[in-house]
Amino acid sequence: DIQMTQSPSTLSASVGDRVTITCRASQRIDGWLAWYQQKPGKAPKLLIYDASSLESGVPSRFSGSGSGTEFTLTISSLQPDDFAVYYCQQYIAYGYTFGQGTKLEIK
Amino acid sequence: EVQLVESGGGLVKPGRSLSLSCTASGFTFGDYAVSWFRQAPGKGLEWVGFIRSKAYGGTPQYAASVKGRFTISRDDSKGIAYLQMNSLKTEDTAVYYCSRRDIPDPCWGQGTLVTVSS
Repeated sequence: DIQMTQSPSTLSASVGDRVTITCRASQRIDGWLAWYQQKPGKAPKLLIYDASSLESGVPSRFSGSGSGTEFTLTISSLQPDDFAVYYCQQYIAYGYTFGQGTKLEIK
Repeated sequence: EVQLVESGGGLVKPGRSLSLSCTASGFTFGDYAVSWFRQAPGKGLEWVGFIRSKAYGGTPQYAASVKGRFTISRDDSKGIAYLQMNSLKTEDTAVYYCSRRDIPDPCWGQGTLVTVSS
């Protein structure tokens, strides 16, 4: 399976901060990458697909970039509702593996 | 409203079987693949597998960790996808989610908890 590695595992930030989460794939996945947000007790919410396409209804402060093996999720100005766990997922190869998650905490 | 609802979770002993259902509404179920995911308590997300729509053969694909033990099927007339889980292990304990399509989709169910314990 393709391994997906996110960094950092935990990120402490304040409302209004700009934050970036990185996801690295163990082999090339072109642009077949999605980002999800998950809050406790809830299903994951799709934010970004195809590495940089914003899912309908998702605020424009979320953006994704990257190709090949390195990808980033950026939140331009953190809002209170954004504190959650974020996962990347590749979908070029069966296994459709996820990163281990990044917990975004309030500083 | 597009909606998926999982059901069938519960407590089961190791080695036994359990079947989960994913009931769809608000869209033409037969036109879409259905995926299953799981999340062990306090852990990350894991893809379990998916079943293609009949237009693409209706065939399933499985994660290596469940292949040979789990079976995904569908009944388009009822708008339901199934996850039949056999020979359950303690490490199969998780919340199981279904989602629409075999690629990332915003439509997910709320999840159903499966606990495998003696």
